[in-house]
Amino acid sequence: DAGVTQSPTHLIKTRGQQVTLRCSPISGHKSVSWYQQVLGQGPQFIFQYYEKEERGRGNFPDRFSARQFPNYSSELNVNALLLGDSALYLCASNSDTDNSYEQYFGPGTRLTVT
Amino acid sequence: QKEVEQDPGPLSVPEGAIVSLNCTYSNSAFQYFMWYRQYSRKGPELLMYTYSSGNKEDGRFTAQVDKSSKYISLFIRDSQPSDSATYLCAMSAVRSGGYNKLIFGAGTRLAVHP
Repeated sequence: DAGVTQSPTHLIKTRGQQVTLRCSPISGHKSVSWYQQVLGQGPQFIFQYYEKEERGRGNFPDRFSARQFPNYSSELNVNALLLGDSALYLCASNSDTDNSYEQYFGPGTRLTVT
Repeated sequence: QKEVEQDPGPLSVPEGAIVSLNCTYSNSAFQYFMWYRQYSRKGPELLMYTYSSGNKEDGRFTAQVDKSSKYISLFIRDSQPSDSATYLCAMSAVRSGGYNKLIFGAGTRLAVHP
């Protein structure tokens, strides 16, 4: 079975631009989470979505937004890019059953803001 | 103070050594504990998942959780050069409204040399 897939793999943007990152969860998984990983640090939680509804939001500015589609895929949007937004953006999915806390990550999208 | 503390290393060991990786945490609400392995420029890969206190073994890997001390460990026996990676601990509180964000440590870089 395919794992979590993300696109694009790499992206270079300039300050002030907008970016959209895409994620497809593992088949059968209905919950998608987004994380930001700055070089040398652990991933930081941005959003969690389930059945197209936002379940949780981390401590990120309103420039960050996301949505989930009926097929459970998801997009992360970042507006007015700053140099500090340069990071690996990770998408994770889980099956969202009562006993499932395990999240499975995709390969990430590496965003460079110049 | 960070919710999860993890020594970033690097940790360098000879092939065949027993490796001990550790994290401490401050939030007593954490009930679910995970270890991820992350190779350079890749997404994190789930290695071990433990609920509450106790030990869990999977091949050469053993995860331990001591909730009374707020301390978790991952042991790798007979370490191999292919184990060279960054190891991330992650934790989650009990799900509330379907919301189970992971809180990560900074990751420990491990190098196993032949």
